[in-house]
Amino acid sequence: QKEVEQDPGPLSVPEGAIVSLNCTYSNSAFQYFMWYRQYSRKGPELLMYTYSSGNKEDGRFTAQVDKSSKYISLFIRDSQPSDSATYLCAMTFKAAGNKLTFGGGTRVLVKP
Amino acid sequence: NAGVMQNPRHLVRRRGQEARLRCSPMKGHSHVYWYRQLPEEGLKFMVYLQKENIIDESGMPKERFSAEFPKEGPSILRIQQVVRGDSAAYFCASSPRQENSYEQYFGPGTRLTVT
Repeated sequence: QKEVEQDPGPLSVPEGAIVSLNCTYSNSAFQYFMWYRQYSRKGPELLMYTYSSGNKEDGRFTAQVDKSSKYISLFIRDSQPSDSATYLCAMTFKAAGNKLTFGGGTRVLVKP
Repeated sequence: NAGVMQNPRHLVRRRGQEARLRCSPMKGHSHVYWYRQLPEEGLKFMVYLQKENIIDESGMPKERFSAEFPKEGPSILRIQQVVRGDSAAYFCASSPRQENSYEQYFGPGTRLTVT
């Protein structure tokens, strides 16, 4: 079983819809949670960074962390075709020495 | 405001040759990480370095792979005697020096093809 699970998709939505992404994890030590966006043949781009449980909002993006369920989510409002990419969750904890553990990524396609 | 820079972007090597991948972190960042992304797989941690120090190399294969981050110049990931299974995208990331800063910013990657 992988430490971090993420549905590979693809997830296809019409333009303007809300995109809902999530990851589950097994290691309760994880404290810091990140979402990255990766366009085809490019490097991952950091979108959101949260610590412990709760919500964080940044523009059209909202990240949620539920440590009791070992479940994190990313919501993208008013989705645009330019949001079509692979979204990766990543997580770490202090004793891990900055080593990020990634999910496998979810491919998202926003159709105009 | 340059981001993380990696070169070359594409590298082709024959089996048995050596591959050298370079990474320059973002300005003001002193922590460097290397990750590998195999086709259809997520990113896997390889090594974490600070200037002149390897902090964590738990993700590095025991043989043929080495990494350094000298006092001057870029970080280097070196793969000796490459094999077809080394074909992958190799990403470098950097983070600021501040304690408890876990955000990592990635470069564009080097795509290694072993023929």
